[in-house]
Amino acid sequence: DGGITQSPKYLFRKEGQNVTLSCEQNLNHDAMYWYRQDPGQGLRLIYYSQIVNDFQKGDIAEGYSVSREKKESFPLTVTSAQKNPTAFYLCATSQGFSYEQYFGPGTRLTVT
Amino acid sequence: AQSVAQPEDQVNVAEGNPLTVKCTYSVSGNPYLFWYVQYPNRGLQFLLKYITGDNLVKGSYGFEAEFNKSQTSFHLKKPSALVSDSALYFCAVIYNTDKLIFGTGTRLQVFP
Repeated sequence: DGGITQSPKYLFRKEGQNVTLSCEQNLNHDAMYWYRQDPGQGLRLIYYSQIVNDFQKGDIAEGYSVSREKKESFPLTVTSAQKNPTAFYLCATSQGFSYEQYFGPGTRLTVT
Repeated sequence: AQSVAQPEDQVNVAEGNPLTVKCTYSVSGNPYLFWYVQYPNRGLQFLLKYITGDNLVKGSYGFEAEFNKSQTSFHLKKPSALVSDSALYFCAVIYNTDKLIFGTGTRLQVFP
């Protein structure tokens, strides 16, 4: 997990509220990713960014938004439009898209 | 459809015995193949990868994997399992240089 910080570790929100998850890296990696992990479903890609000021939708982008204003930072906003936001969220980085990824410790979001 | 399969939800093995965690894929083009390990409530850690070259790849913690093009498989192996190897293992595939799929994960349980 070294070099990638996700905060907070646990996050609780009421339904209807937007919430932003933080991801910061000091690995100088170009690519950054957000995944959602649910039991029995593995990892599903939400958004990824290969370069500053550019990002692409993954498989389950609906109800989420991201920004990449700095190389070190790739925050994820879970909007009220996300139907089932309770999950474990993982941020990852890599030197480029075809390289191995390094993961942060994750944020467990609970929405009630 | 492009896919990655980890056919076993759980693999049980006695400490000291060899272990195998299976991964098969169905993607277009030449795949890049990865194995990751996840300990409880943590992010994933990279174990090993196959890009090109020798079909047998050695990685961290004594793990290795064999790329078999004809069987479209990339099984993870270790000659002698440790209790500390107990974790969740994910296979991942990158294809067409910008598409990424993770398997659903296999839980490895090593019994003393």
